[in-house]
Amino acid sequence: GAVVSQHPSWVICKSGTSVKIECRSLDFQATTMFWYRQFPKQSLMLMATSNEGSKATYEQGVEKDKFLINHASLTLSTLTVTSAHPEDSSFYICSAKGGTEAFFGQGTRLTVV
Amino acid sequence: QKEVEQNSGPLSVPEGAIASLNCTYSDRGSQSFFWYRQYSGKSPELIMFIYSNGDKEDGRFTAQLNKASQYVSLLIRDSQPSDSATYLCAVKVGNFNKFYFGSGTKLNVKP
Repeated sequence: GAVVSQHPSWVICKSGTSVKIECRSLDFQATTMFWYRQFPKQSLMLMATSNEGSKATYEQGVEKDKFLINHASLTLSTLTVTSAHPEDSSFYICSAKGGTEAFFGQGTRLTVV
Repeated sequence: QKEVEQNSGPLSVPEGAIASLNCTYSDRGSQSFFWYRQYSGKSPELIMFIYSNGDKEDGRFTAQLNKASQYVSLLIRDSQPSDSATYLCAVKVGNFNKFYFGSGTKLNVKP
């Protein structure tokens, strides 16, 4: 399948700081990327849909000013968690739509202390 | 979010047996259905997808779709201990190409 690279794999940050997570489609162009969050023993919760060259579409209950998404090119989308708090600690996963399937990045384990 | 339901399990089967995983969904507009496997601490990996009613086989895996009853299932034949993982059902809805996931079923294959 297609390769989606997510960076970093894990990050620890202090409360109040911002963290940027990158998602790259390595061997295909992704006009649409998705950002998910997964808390322990729970399923993936869709946060937002990122479309190249346009504003992201956020799911209900997700703060767009807190989770900034930029999809500047067909191969890169970024998620910035601003003013992070301990309750933002989670596993963040991106996926890129290639054709009819969605391929996932490796995920980023964010811990806010 | 659109509702996708799975039994959380755990489902325990002996090695070599058939494991049957089920998923129901609420949105009749759902077009495509996917099964992902997720190991603890890792991202999901696609096992297979199905669009049309009936069965689709790929190696030891068979996906079954019944749109009238709004359920999709995954059968794993000759289960191996390495199949032990959480299996996520996902549906793609409408023209927005959004994927919605069930909570996952934890499968334990005992040697």
